Amino acid sequence: QVQLQESGPGLVKPSQTLSLTCTVSGGSISSGNYYWSWIRQPAGKGLEWIGRIYPSGSTDYNPSLKSRVTISVDTSKNQFSLKLTSVTAADTAVYYCTREYNWNDCWGQGTLVTVSS
Amino acid sequence: DIQLTQSPSFLSASVGDRVTITCRASQGISSYLAWYQQKPGKAPKLLIYAASTLQSGVPSRFSGSGSETEFTLTISSLQPEDFATYYCQQLNSYPRTFGQGTKVEIK
Repeated sequence: QVQLQESGPGLVKPSQTLSLTCTVSGGSISSGNYYWSWIRQPAGKGLEWIGRIYPSGSTDYNPSLKSRVTISVDTSKNQFSLKLTSVTAADTAVYYCTREYNWNDCWGQGTLVTVSS
Repeated sequence: DIQLTQSPSFLSASVGDRVTITCRASQGISSYLAWYQQKPGKAPKLLIYAASTLQSGVPSRFSGSGSETEFTLTISSLQPEDFATYYCQQLNSYPRTFGQGTKVEIK
């Protein structure tokens, strides 16, 4: 059974870059027609799709974040990563990594990232 | 972006009640809709995909229906473990978007 686990700093200073990694276990990130996605959720609010990557490296991003987001994949490590630049307090949220087909069936437990000086 | 509007936003119900949540899309999305359940402090859990297909392991009291712009999630007999927030998500186009959520609380 595929499991996902987010990792990265829980505190980022304003204007700096948020960096998270998602490690996939129990299966290969390259197998199946799956995309690998990032979704975030500010405290007490709804879910926002950030973007996704295919193992080949092809990406799709939310236009509202596109200028600041980069998602990358390292198939040798069975990981994919998120970078979000120039963060502000509005980027404070729980960040989830997920597996996407035409639905998101596997989710990491989520990691809280707080943007504060 | 495709907007998804869930109704109601809040629902108070009793164990054993039949509960229906509606998700309306601002434009047609065929059957590219999923439903998730989220409990406090936990990641969302997939319940229904392709509008009406029950995810493996999800109790049969959950069902989904609809297409294009109007969708429903029904819980036929609400159980104590079903008190949670429910979200719909469209996967027809980019960016993927979610409804604002429906919180189901105990009456």
